[in-house]
Amino acid sequence: KAGVTQTPRYLIKTRGQQVTLSCSPISGHRSVSWYQQTPGQGLQFLFEYFSETQRNKGNFPGRFSGRQFSNSRSEMNVSTLELGDSALYLCASSLGGGTNTGELFFGEGSRLTVL
Amino acid sequence: AQRVTQPEKLLSVFKGAPVELKCNYSYSGSPELFWYVQYSRQRLQLLLRHISRESIKGFTADLNKGETSFHLKKPFAQEEDSAMYYCALTYSGAGSYQLTFGKGTKLSVIP
Repeated sequence: KAGVTQTPRYLIKTRGQQVTLSCSPISGHRSVSWYQQTPGQGLQFLFEYFSETQRNKGNFPGRFSGRQFSNSRSEMNVSTLELGDSALYLCASSLGGGTNTGELFFGEGSRLTVL
Repeated sequence: AQRVTQPEKLLSVFKGAPVELKCNYSYSGSPELFWYVQYSRQRLQLLLRHISRESIKGFTADLNKGETSFHLKKPFAQEEDSAMYYCALTYSGAGSYQLTFGKGTKLSVIP
C-alpha cells in the first residue's frame, strides 16, 4: 500500500509569509503526527491528530497550527515565518486508537527554507 | 519532562566488529523505548521496540531501568548497517504516541 505522502517536498518562503504543508497518511491510519527536524535541535514533536482532534501538542509557539480532515489527511500551517523555521517537516501516521503499536510511519518530509 | 540522550554523534566501526549505540533516557514513569533508523535516501523507519524483545537485522536492545538505558547492539557489523540511528521514548496516554527523539548517532561501517 502507498506510504505517507507529503507535499510540497521543497519550498522557499520569505520572513513574514505563511506556509501550509500537507500530509496524506497510509490508508486506514487515523493518527497523524508532525515533527520538525533541524540540525541543532534534531527531531521535535509538533502535534498529533486523531479523528480530526488534536490529542497532543509540543512546545512550539502558536504560529504553528494544524488540522485533520475526515479522511485523515492533515495539514500544518506556520504563520509569520521566521528564519529559524527553516527545517525539514516530517509527517508520520499510525493506526491510532486502542490498536496503536507505537510504530510511526514517516513521510519523506517537506523541506522549508525561509529567506 | 522526558529526555533522550545519544552521546555519540558519529560511530565508526570495521565490518565484522561489534556495534553498540548508546541511548540513555530520563522519564519518571514507565517509558516505552524504540530505535528508529534512517538509511541513505530512505525514510525514517522503526527498527525495534523494547516491548517486543525481538532481534531485527541482528540488532537487539535491552531496556535497563536501573541505568535508564536502551543501548542498541549487534555482534557483527555489516556495511549495510551504515545509517542514522535514533533512540526514541514515549509514554502511552489515551492511546496517543508522542515520541521524544534523541539527536541521533550516525553509524559508519568501514569495509
